[in-house]
Amino acid sequence: KAGVTQTPRYLIKTRGQQVTLSCSPISGHRSVSWYQQTPGQGLQFLFEYFSETQRNKGNFPGRFSGRQFSNSRSEMNVSTLELGDSALYLCASSLGTEYNEQFFGPGTRLTVL
Amino acid sequence: QQQVKQSPQSLIVQKGGISIINCAYENTAFDYFPWYQQFPGKGPALLIAIRPDVSEKKEGRFTISFNKSAKQFSLHIMDSQPGDSATYFCAASYSGGYQKVTFGTGTKLQVIP
Repeated sequence: KAGVTQTPRYLIKTRGQQVTLSCSPISGHRSVSWYQQTPGQGLQFLFEYFSETQRNKGNFPGRFSGRQFSNSRSEMNVSTLELGDSALYLCASSLGTEYNEQFFGPGTRLTVL
Repeated sequence: QQQVKQSPQSLIVQKGGISIINCAYENTAFDYFPWYQQFPGKGPALLIAIRPDVSEKKEGRFTISFNKSAKQFSLHIMDSQPGDSATYFCAASYSGGYQKVTFGTGTKLQVIP
């Protein structure tokens, strides 16, 4: 069974640009969550999508947005990039019911110059 | 707001020794407490999880101890091995929060031969 895949693995952007990250969940998983991981703030929840609907949201500005497609694949978009957006962005998939195990992808390393 | 506090930040243990990582939470709505293990270049992976209706859960060399009244929980790794060297995160979530998980700041464990 294939794991969670994220593309691209590495990305370099400049301030003010926007970026789109992609996540393909494990087959059969309907929930996709996104997390930002930085040395200073650790792992922080961005949002969760379930059956194409945003079900949960963390405390991030509106520059961070996402969507989920009918095949459960998800994209995350960050507009007007700031230096502080440099981080590892992790995607996790699960069946989506309570207390299900989340399976994480390897992440996309975003560097903003 | 830091809702899950984790200590120590780093830990060095001799092979065969016991590694202990502690966490404390503030939100009494939390009712699911997973621990994740992360190796460099990989996403976190679920190690073991506990619900507050039990005080201890053991899986192989890994044990979670849970103290509901003190709002604390800890991970014990018995007979620590060099292959256990990784970063460990405690986490918490609540019913209705689905996949919205609040993570601790992480403990970098190094097991030396």
